[in-house]
Amino acid sequence: DSGVTQTPKHLITATGQRVTLRCSPRSGDLSVYWYQQSLDQGLQFLIQYYNGEERAKGNILERFSAQQFPDLHSELNLSSLELGDSALYFCASSPNRPLAGGGNEQYFGPGTRLTVT
Amino acid sequence: ILNVEQSPQSLHVQEGDSTNFTCSFPSSNFYALHWYRWETAKSPEALFVMTLNGDEKKKGRISATLNTKEGYSYLYIKGSQPEDSATYLCALYNQAGTALIFGKGTTLSVSS
Repeated sequence: DSGVTQTPKHLITATGQRVTLRCSPRSGDLSVYWYQQSLDQGLQFLIQYYNGEERAKGNILERFSAQQFPDLHSELNLSSLELGDSALYFCASSPNRPLAGGGNEQYFGPGTRLTVT
Repeated sequence: ILNVEQSPQSLHVQEGDSTNFTCSFPSSNFYALHWYRWETAKSPEALFVMTLNGDEKKKGRISATLNTKEGYSYLYIKGSQPEDSATYLCALYNQAGTALIFGKGTTLSVSS
């Protein structure tokens, strides 16, 4: 158990709908990362938040948005869903002090499996 | 765009065999390389963080080496066990050190 929690575990919804995925980082971690794992694709970095502020952006669609709240939990909002958005969405958190020159080791949650029908 | 390649895509070995797989990446602007282990139905778990050319890390029967000048890292598993069956992911931090870019992984299956 990494200490990162994600809800819900599974989500099935229809095209055109909007969903919210929730992540609670490990106790004390200020950074939260969101990743998408689609069929035949590696883990794709979407976005990072640090202490409530957006810090880095990856291949995140304009239909997707995220935020991090004062209690440090984060939500990923996916709107106007398409079939191709079906994927496993991971949240990860990292310690506040990066490893010496090595970047932060990331701790992954169990993921939310989204199925768009 | 930072491209991380892993090979082979999948591998099947017998219990007791030793094995290794490769992660290749652009040698310029290297920041850090991470190896993760991802078991089915679980979440990725960090194995090693590697930063310096020539780095060698070891955890039990698993070890890794890094060559930043030629742009590759090897992961070795000595005496594979069925519990080693998993997907092994290599990831590089982008130059800004803000995002991990993952390869597609090598899926290892160990038969008893």
